[in-house]
Amino acid sequence: KAGVTQTPRYLIKTRGQQVTLSCSPISGHRSVSWYQQTPGQGLQFLFEYFSETQRNKGNFPGRFSGRQFSNSRSEMNVSTLELGDSALYLCASTSTLMNTEAFFGQGTRLTVV
Amino acid sequence: AQKVTQAQTEISVVEKEDVTLDCVYETRDTTYYLFWYKQPPSGELVFLIRRNSFDEQNEISGRYSWNFQKSTSSFNFTITASQVVDSAVYFCALSEVSATGANNLFFGTGTRLTVIP
Repeated sequence: KAGVTQTPRYLIKTRGQQVTLSCSPISGHRSVSWYQQTPGQGLQFLFEYFSETQRNKGNFPGRFSGRQFSNSRSEMNVSTLELGDSALYLCASTSTLMNTEAFFGQGTRLTVV
Repeated sequence: AQKVTQAQTEISVVEKEDVTLDCVYETRDTTYYLFWYKQPPSGELVFLIRRNSFDEQNEISGRYSWNFQKSTSSFNFTITASQVVDSAVYFCALSEVSATGANNLFFGTGTRLTVIP
């Protein structure tokens, strides 16, 4: 069974640009969550999608958005990039059962210059 | 409000030593779930264990063991006979039960374990 796939693995963007990150969950998993990991703030929850609907959202500005497609693949978008958005963005895939373990992808490392 | 505290930022041990990683959590819910994840240098978080709040039985899996004590709100992780491959950052996390069924994890700040050969 294939794991969680995130693309691209690395990105370098300039301040003010926007970026889209992609996540393909484990087959059969309908819940996809996104997390941001930085040295200063640690791992922080961004949002969760289930069956194409945002089910939960963390405390991030509106520049951070996401969506989920009918095949459960998810994208997150960050607009008007700031230097502080440089981070490892991790996607997690969870089955339909509540509070089960989340399986993570290898992440996308975003550098904003 | 929920919170997970991993007071140990970094730990170094010599190979074959035992090491315990501490985790203390806060939650107002009576039903919740606790997790441990390992993050090797490659970046992905590797699931190690999930425990619900009603199951205080300790668990052992090979060289790994977990001690869950509700009375002290702790969920500690012990690696016996540590190996160099155990070197990683370890995260403790808490998940509460949501009426919407939402899943999200609150992570501690992690403990970087270095096993010296």
